[in-house]
Amino acid sequence: AAGVIQSPRHLIKEKRETATLKCYPIPRHDTVYWYQQGPGQDPQFLISFYEKMQSDKGSIPDRFSAQQFSDYHSELNMSSLELGDSALYFCASSLVGGATFGSGTRLTVV
Amino acid sequence: SQQGEEDPQALSIQEGENATMNCSYKTSINNLQWYRQNSGRGLVHLILIRSNEREKHSGRLRVTLDTSKKSSSLLITASRAADTASYFCATPNSGGSNYKLTFGKGTLLTVNP
Repeated sequence: AAGVIQSPRHLIKEKRETATLKCYPIPRHDTVYWYQQGPGQDPQFLISFYEKMQSDKGSIPDRFSAQQFSDYHSELNMSSLELGDSALYFCASSLVGGATFGSGTRLTVV
Repeated sequence: SQQGEEDPQALSIQEGENATMNCSYKTSINNLQWYRQNSGRGLVHLILIRSNEREKHSGRLRVTLDTSKKSSSLLITASRAADTASYFCATPNSGGSNYKLTFGKGTLLTVNP
């Protein structure tokens, strides 16, 4: 069965650069979430979308923005990157019940 | 504070033993979910238990939920080395939707061969 697809798997950026992470949810899933997981930390909720509309927002910096497109894929845009933004970024999607997570994008800011 | 706190933070057992991890939460929920994460990898949904359920089984997994104590436990029976991973509980927001999951700190389980 198709899973949640994230791209790229790995990304290295320099400070102050911009990064765009993509997420392709499971077909027919109506909710997409983004999470950030720092080294040795639990996943922290960033933002979610329900039927392409932002539905909830967590501790997401103003430098970050996200959107969900008409084909339901979502993008997380991060600008003015800082060293502390280095983390695993997960996308998840759900319809009802438990969410299915992608394998994540590992962002390293140098 | 965190919705969903697991204990213990780390657990080391021998293959074949059972592993029990606990999770406590603070607000009302309509379900509680357990996830597994291998080091540096994605989260894998294991099991969801609804607030009107007290116990649920899936293979070697057994989950209990006590809404009066706001706690849940995950039992892995006959553990294997491949069960070595971090285990997180997660709860949806108080509105009852799954728009936002709050994860606990996780329990790092090490199963020694």
